Amino acid sequence: AQSVAQPEDQVNVAEGNPLTVKCTYSVSGNPYLFWYVQYPNRGLQFLLKYITGDNLVKGSYGFEAEFNKSQTSFHLKKPSALVSDSALYFCALMDSNYQLIWGAGTKLIIKP
Amino acid sequence: DAGVIQSPRHEVTEMGQEVTLRCKPISGHDYLFWYRQTMMRGLELLIYFNNNVPIDDSGMPEDRFSAKMPNASFSTLKIQPSEPRDSAVYFCASSRRTGGNTGELFFGEGSRLTVL
Repeated sequence: AQSVAQPEDQVNVAEGNPLTVKCTYSVSGNPYLFWYVQYPNRGLQFLLKYITGDNLVKGSYGFEAEFNKSQTSFHLKKPSALVSDSALYFCALMDSNYQLIWGAGTKLIIKP
Repeated sequence: DAGVIQSPRHEVTEMGQEVTLRCKPISGHDYLFWYRQTMMRGLELLIYFNNNVPIDDSGMPEDRFSAKMPNASFSTLKIQPSEPRDSAVYFCASSRRTGGNTGELFFGEGSRLTVL
């Protein structure tokens, strides 16, 4: 069965420190993986995706994600966190019908 | 482009009333999705359309929920009669499945529904 998991409900990081939001997946075949961000009282916004190629994917707002096939992970990263990065982050996996399977979301809190 | 437009942004109604949520997708997008978001259940796909045709409505919780897409630029999600447990934020999203755009959904700002 295809699935995606975000093991952390919340991640707290001090401003200026690197951040990581974790995502693991389960799929037979090659995964198509996505990250979306949701700011308070807003809709979700696409950040980045992995389809094939380089394992390090760069996206919007300075975010990047590292695809690791052996660990079945697709962690979201940023070298230096900003307070404005505080939001809800969703990892998603595309299924065989080209539809997205969503993780539960991780609340990222960046403290000044 | 104005993005996906949803209305109303907020709706407060009483149990038993009919609620209609509206969505205008991005021009040229051939997929339209309705999602519901709650604290308890997270993000749930209710139904999606391709070229105005409903493809999968297995996420629609009950017969009280219905969705239509009469043309490429308009969709509605109707709840009749509404119940307090329907209180949630309802999102509409659209996408265009061509080339590298697959999987990139564009979301509206959502309609926050409160049923008293």
